[in-house]
Amino acid sequence: DQQVKQNSPSLSVQEGRISILNCDYTNSMFDYFLWYKKYPAEGPTFLISISSIKDKNEDGRFTVFLNKSAKHLSLHIVPSQPGDSAVYFCAASGMTGNQFYFGTGTSLTVIP
Amino acid sequence: EAGVVQSPRYKIIEKKQPVAFWCNPISGHNTLYWYLQNLGQGPELLIRYENEEAVDDSQLPKDRFSAERLKGVDSTLKIQPAELGDSAVYLCASSRGGSTYNEQFFGPGTRLTVL
Repeated sequence: DQQVKQNSPSLSVQEGRISILNCDYTNSMFDYFLWYKKYPAEGPTFLISISSIKDKNEDGRFTVFLNKSAKHLSLHIVPSQPGDSAVYFCAASGMTGNQFYFGTGTSLTVIP
Repeated sequence: EAGVVQSPRYKIIEKKQPVAFWCNPISGHNTLYWYLQNLGQGPELLIRYENEEAVDDSQLPKDRFSAERLKGVDSTLKIQPAELGDSAVYLCASSRGGSTYNEQFFGPGTRLTVL
């Protein structure tokens, strides 16, 4: 049973516009969430995280929003750049913080 | 700081053959993870080590998979015998360990193809 879901397998956005990637989770015990970015033939790399005590975390062009009541989080990238083209994975963890459950990923293409 | 190193990067074997993957985590990282990633899917945890102890191996198919981390540093994941369905990317990750919310650093993975 998939506890973390990314329902959009792919997304295309024009350079300079906003990219919004969505993620839903089912386990109400999750309290820490991360986004990873993955280029082909490389392992995932950490992008940004958010704790359940917050509803927003921002780092440069990247902002993650958390809606606990809806069990939903989203990653906003603005402005989008061609180098942002990659697969983005959402991940969630419970209180131990040592095991992460990953979504199936969303492939983002930023068109120059 | 060197990242997580995995070898080989690619491996092609015939079914029923054994195969082994090696991982060297980031220096000082006590926690080591092995993940399986199928095409179009996210990473799924196979086993987690805290130092040399396997603290979570509930998702490891123990009839054919085994892992070890003898000195609490490098780790090896083995499949014997391999089946067609084992074709996937095997990712190793490490983190500092401790109590909570430790960022995991991933290696590039080993892409296994079983023919």
